[in-house]
Amino acid sequence: TQLLEQSPQFLSIQEGENLTVYCNSSSVFSSLQWYRQEPGEGPVLLVTVVTGGEVKKLKRLTFQFGDARKDSSLHITAAQPGDTGLYLCAGFSNDYKLSFGAGTTVTVRA
Amino acid sequence: KAGVTQTPRYLIKTRGQQVTLSCSPISGHRSVSWYQQTPGQGLQFLFEYFSETQRNKGNFPGRFSGRQFSNSRSEMNVSTLELGDSALYLCASSTLAGGPSGANVLTFGAGSRLTVL
Repeated sequence: TQLLEQSPQFLSIQEGENLTVYCNSSSVFSSLQWYRQEPGEGPVLLVTVVTGGEVKKLKRLTFQFGDARKDSSLHITAAQPGDTGLYLCAGFSNDYKLSFGAGTTVTVRA
Repeated sequence: KAGVTQTPRYLIKTRGQQVTLSCSPISGHRSVSWYQQTPGQGLQFLFEYFSETQRNKGNFPGRFSGRQFSNSRSEMNVSTLELGDSALYLCASSTLAGGPSGANVLTFGAGSRLTVL
């Protein structure tokens, strides 16, 4: 059983469209991270959110951390083929372990 | 600045054999964590080492073990391999010991892909 549930599992969109990936849990996390992983590579950290209600923007990517620090979302505006990859959310719990969601595979078609 | 280096990148073993995977962290990073990634389970935490001490352990059987050397390089070993051990094994290094701080930035290696036949 995944501590962090990500949805959707797969997402295929046309270049220029917007997309949102969700990460939900019944547990509270002290901080939550988003990673992107490309085939043949390890995950690369995109952002860390720490404060409940926090919103961070990274160019066309917007990350939100829920007020209760149990959920997060990643929104990509005007997606490009270079955004294709596996998006993973990960949360630090109080036992100092980093738990990952199963991931959302995003495909942006040119 | 060199990244996290994992060797070997690919390997094939048969059931019952054992395997040792190596991870060289970024220079100056003292914490090394190991994860198993499979299509069905995603990334599962194996263990974390900091200054040669295991600081945290995931829910894996005792066949999975690891160690860290004084130069922060780490190895993990899987004995009596099973078909279900086929996975991508990822190592990540950071400057901090495992903790909930938002400052704990993990840098992952490209992984070692193990196939058990």
